[in-house]
Amino acid sequence: DGGITQSPKYLFRKEGQNVTLSCEQNLNHDAMYWYRQDPGQGLRLIYYSQIVNDFQKGDIAEGYSVSREKKESFPLTVTSAQKNPTAFYLCASSVRGQPQHFGDGTRLSIL
Amino acid sequence: GQQLNQSPQSMFIQEGEDVSMNCTSSSIFNTWLWYKQDPGEGPVLLIALYKAGELTSNGRLTAQFGITRKDSFLNISASIPSDVGIYFCAGLANSGGSNYKLTFGKGTLLTVNP
Repeated sequence: DGGITQSPKYLFRKEGQNVTLSCEQNLNHDAMYWYRQDPGQGLRLIYYSQIVNDFQKGDIAEGYSVSREKKESFPLTVTSAQKNPTAFYLCASSVRGQPQHFGDGTRLSIL
Repeated sequence: GQQLNQSPQSMFIQEGEDVSMNCTSSSIFNTWLWYKQDPGEGPVLLIALYKAGELTSNGRLTAQFGITRKDSFLNISASIPSDVGIYFCAGLANSGGSNYKLTFGKGTLLTVNP
């Protein structure tokens, strides 16, 4: 089946630790996105990539990093610089200019 | 930046009732989207609207792209318990090379009482 796979479903981070969230898609979409969702808030854009080896900061990029070495993969690293990382993280992909389709999310918590 | 005002924030209705929610913006969008999110899962696209004035249905769901391109509404008819979830509107605006960025409303939490 075609779709977007995020892993793990749940992730725990210790103080001072970097963690990486995986996002893989087999939809052959050019564009991929990372969002953060907090309770009662809408989705806020962290980073997005329109093409392989290129990505741009979204509205809340501080404390996060990404890479886009392959079309199907867009991993997100939550660094120790992100002081409030507890949230639900959503990855999405799309054909350029078309609606985005989402994975099932990763819930990140602090130990 | 662009902002979407989505209302109401929450709704508590009886099964069988109709539901209406809307989004307004101070900016023009070229595409309006409506998503539904179940607890612990990612949003799922319900309806996409591409043209001002467009009225589109998907089963019991009907959505319209406002004629001013600054608003959209979603109606759900004859609600059922599985309609429970958070509904998000989202707008897509052409802005040079950044025309892939969606702006999301904060969501409408729908609860349906059987």
